[in-house]
Amino acid sequence: EPEVTQTPSHQVTQMGQEVILRCVPISNHLYFYWYRQILGQKVEFLVSFYNNEISEKSEIFDDQFSVERPDGSNFTLKIRSTKLEDSAMYFCASEGRDRIPSGANVLTFGAGSRLTVL
Amino acid sequence: AQSVTQPDIHITVSEGASLELRCNYSYGATPYLFWYVQSPGQGLQLLLKYFSGDTLVQGIKGFEAEFKRSQSSFNLRKPSVHWSDAAEYFCAVGTGGGNKLTFGTGTQLKVEL
Repeated sequence: EPEVTQTPSHQVTQMGQEVILRCVPISNHLYFYWYRQILGQKVEFLVSFYNNEISEKSEIFDDQFSVERPDGSNFTLKIRSTKLEDSAMYFCASEGRDRIPSGANVLTFGAGSRLTVL
Repeated sequence: AQSVTQPDIHITVSEGASLELRCNYSYGATPYLFWYVQSPGQGLQLLLKYFSGDTLVQGIKGFEAEFKRSQSSFNLRKPSVHWSDAAEYFCAVGTGGGNKLTFGTGTQLKVEL
């Protein structure tokens, strides 16, 4: 079964450092997402990406965050200057090309990248 | 804005017993509803979804859920729980036009042998 792959599985960084989390979505998917889950809290939507641009972002996704699809296969989340409160599990998800006309499709999530900011 | 409430943070059941995990949502239109399961160290795996039609939906691993519009609920059920079902379960609501899902806080299921 096709899967979404995320690397690294765990990263520890110092506050103020830049971090790049990588995701390889399912190959024929066109819509990509990042979600995050702070320990003990809800999974939260960060950003969605389609056709090489952000289609929607949450208020969490401020200027320190950016996403790109540099080479047609990887989908990355960059956090420019990490803060303690960025410590969380970050989930990548992708969605197939055939959207149900009435709206929501099904997301396939990766196993997550745990980010610890010290 | 939509929201999801999972009133039970932890639930413990004996193996072989039935299970019901509660989920209530708040959304102005017809929601798209999902249940995901997360095992330790794993990603979020989709158990089942409701988009429209039959309000009783069947999922993987023997799970089912029933959409009740009058109660704004989408409870997850399984007639006989297996030890391998121990995990965290998340209910989520999606809005039409995208997959900006709103998740509940999750219910941690423990299965006693």
